Amino acid sequence: EDQVTQSPEALRLQEGESSSLNCSYTVSGLRGLFWYRQDPGKGPEFLFTLYSAGEEKEKERLKATLTKKESFLHITAPKPEDSATYLCASLIQGAQKLVFGQGTRLTINP
Amino acid sequence: GAVVSQHPSRVICKSGTSVKIECRSLDFQATTMFWYRQFPKQSLMLMATSNEGSKATYEQGVEKDKFLINHASLTLSTLTVTSAHPEDSSFYICSARPLTDTQYFGPGTRLTVL
Repeated sequence: EDQVTQSPEALRLQEGESSSLNCSYTVSGLRGLFWYRQDPGKGPEFLFTLYSAGEEKEKERLKATLTKKESFLHITAPKPEDSATYLCASLIQGAQKLVFGQGTRLTINP
Repeated sequence: GAVVSQHPSRVICKSGTSVKIECRSLDFQATTMFWYRQFPKQSLMLMATSNEGSKATYEQGVEKDKFLINHASLTLSTLTVTSAHPEDSSFYICSARPLTDTQYFGPGTRLTVL
């Protein structure tokens, strides 16, 4: 069964303390791996799509990387406004729907 | 670019009534639209996938007679919750996908059934 697992479930950091969020996937034929950010009471906001192992994408303090088994979302020198739930999702070849992980709730303390 | 809107953002209704939620892609044409439901502190649960001009494909366990989906144009999909009951109270989110793989999400609709 196609599965996406995110860890940790929740993470608290001090402002400026860099860290990484993990997304492990076991899917048959990955077409793409997606990262979204979701604030409370709002819909997910698209961050990145990764298609092949070794690919990296960056946006401000965030960098997403992809291997054959997992993806990492690295956050460098985070600020309180980076606090949110970060969701990763896989899209398999030939499918339309995303398989979502349970998310990581990130809290950045000032 | 890639903006998706939902209307209304919040709705409160009485048990037994029907509620319609609209999802629009504002600056692109969406070949496929998706409807999700999200419970507090949980991830998104896909309810159905709809392609413009076709009948929606519902996920296992989702009652298609209760959650009516219409995707009449490349920029509009609607979800109607028929004969709503308190257990239907939830956060409903739509997404739209252009010809790329990426889904863009709307801001969500909070439904409360009294």
